[in-house]
Amino acid sequence: GQNIDQPTEMTATEGAIVQINCTYQTSGFNGLFWYQQHAGEAPTFLSYNVLDGLEEKGRFSSFLSRSKGYSYLLLKELQMKDSASYLCAILDSNYQLIWGAGTKLIIKP
Amino acid sequence: IAGITQAPTSQILAAGRRMTLRCTQDMRHNAMYWYRQDLGLGLRLIHYSNTAGTTGKGEVPDGYSVSRANTDDFPLTLASAVPSQTSVYFCASSEERGGRDTQYFGPGTRLTVL
Repeated sequence: GQNIDQPTEMTATEGAIVQINCTYQTSGFNGLFWYQQHAGEAPTFLSYNVLDGLEEKGRFSSFLSRSKGYSYLLLKELQMKDSASYLCAILDSNYQLIWGAGTKLIIKP
Repeated sequence: IAGITQAPTSQILAAGRRMTLRCTQDMRHNAMYWYRQDLGLGLRLIHYSNTAGTTGKGEVPDGYSVSRANTDDFPLTLASAVPSQTSVYFCASSEERGGRDTQYFGPGTRLTVL
């Protein structure tokens, strides 16, 4: 079967760094996406990884290890506006996106 | 219009009624998708369309139908609504289906079936 695991909820402090993990077992792999979703809003694209390694984009970085079925999203210099859910999604062998349930990130001042 | 629009924003519906959720995009994307999002679950694909005139079934298609008469519009119809279809519905589009094409989401429709 297909399975994507993310922590349900995490709490971090404004200005700090947080790492959100995603582990997956899917039928094939054609890339991994991270999306951000604020409460009551639509998901918006953050990053895409298809090769192993770290992709950096401003305060956000995403890492992928295909052999371990593992990714993480690293958020630096946390701001209150980063309070949101972060969704991990895998593009499977049929080029269909399989979504994790998301990690709700709570930022405290 | 900029991006993807959905209508209505929210709706309360009696069980057994027919309902069409509307989705329109102005980005000239070929691929469009309908998802439902329920608490504690990931987004689940209901139906998709690779291009105008074609549609396909996703993970949870039962009870739903779609059409793609043109590039811009992708309506989702519930022929006879049931309470288990209470959910938030998101329409999305991408340039093509598959690959690294980013999916862009509409604002969602919150549907309650009583």
